[in-house]
Amino acid sequence: GDSVTQMEGPVTLSEEAFLTINCTYTATGYPSLFWYVQYPGEGLQLLLKATKADDKGSNKGFEATYRKETTSFHLEKGSVQVSDSAVYFCALSALNTGNQFYFGTGTSLTVIP
Amino acid sequence: DVKVTQSSRYLVKRTGEKVFLECVQDMDHENMFWYRQDPGLGLRLIYFSYDVKMKEKGDIPEGYSVSREKKERFSLILESASTNQTSMYLCASSSPRKPQHFGDGTRLSIL
Repeated sequence: GDSVTQMEGPVTLSEEAFLTINCTYTATGYPSLFWYVQYPGEGLQLLLKATKADDKGSNKGFEATYRKETTSFHLEKGSVQVSDSAVYFCALSALNTGNQFYFGTGTSLTVIP
Repeated sequence: DVKVTQSSRYLVKRTGEKVFLECVQDMDHENMFWYRQDPGLGLRLIYFSYDVKMKEKGDIPEGYSVSREKKERFSLILESASTNQTSMYLCASSSPRKPQHFGDGTRLSIL
C-alpha cells in the first residue's frame, strides 16, 4: 500500500545551518506530496506541496522537489532560524486512495541560537 | 482562511466514561478526518467521512465511533474510555484531493 518514510529525529542544528529532512514514498498511483509543520501545542499546518513530478514546492524559505525517479520529496532550507523549531511531517495523497493522506512519523527539529 | 475548531484543547476523563470530541469546520469541506498522534508513531487515522452520514474506518478504529449529522461537524466518540486512549487527537478537513486543514488538537488524558 501507499506509505511515507521520513528520517528519524530528533535533529538539532545551530542557527543559520543548512537543513535537509529526507522523505521517500511508496505509491501505486501518481501522488501529490506535502510537507506539514507542527509548532509546539498546535495542530499541523501545510508548509508546501507538489502535485506532479519535477514540481518544486516552496514556502517561508523551505523547498522540496518531487523526484519520481528516486521517489523522494526531501525538505530543505538554506539557513534555519530558532523559530523553525517544530515537528515536520511528510505526507502523500493519491487519486487511487481517494481522499486519504498517508503521513510519515514526523521529524523533530530544534534550532539553537 | 480555513478554520477547523476542536471543542477542547485539554480534557481529562475517567476509565469507562463515554467521551465526545467535537470538530467543526467553516469551509464547506466534504471530507473530515480524525487522527490520534502518539510519540514515535506519527499520525494514525481513526475514522474519516466523505459526506454527511457517511463514515469509513481508518487504521485504528477499535474503541471509537464517529458521527456526522451535519456537513460542518464531525464527532469522535470513545464508547468506554480506557487508559490506552490517552493521546493527542487531531481533526482535519479538506475538499476532494486538496490539502487537509487541521485543528489545534485535543490532548485527552484518561485516568
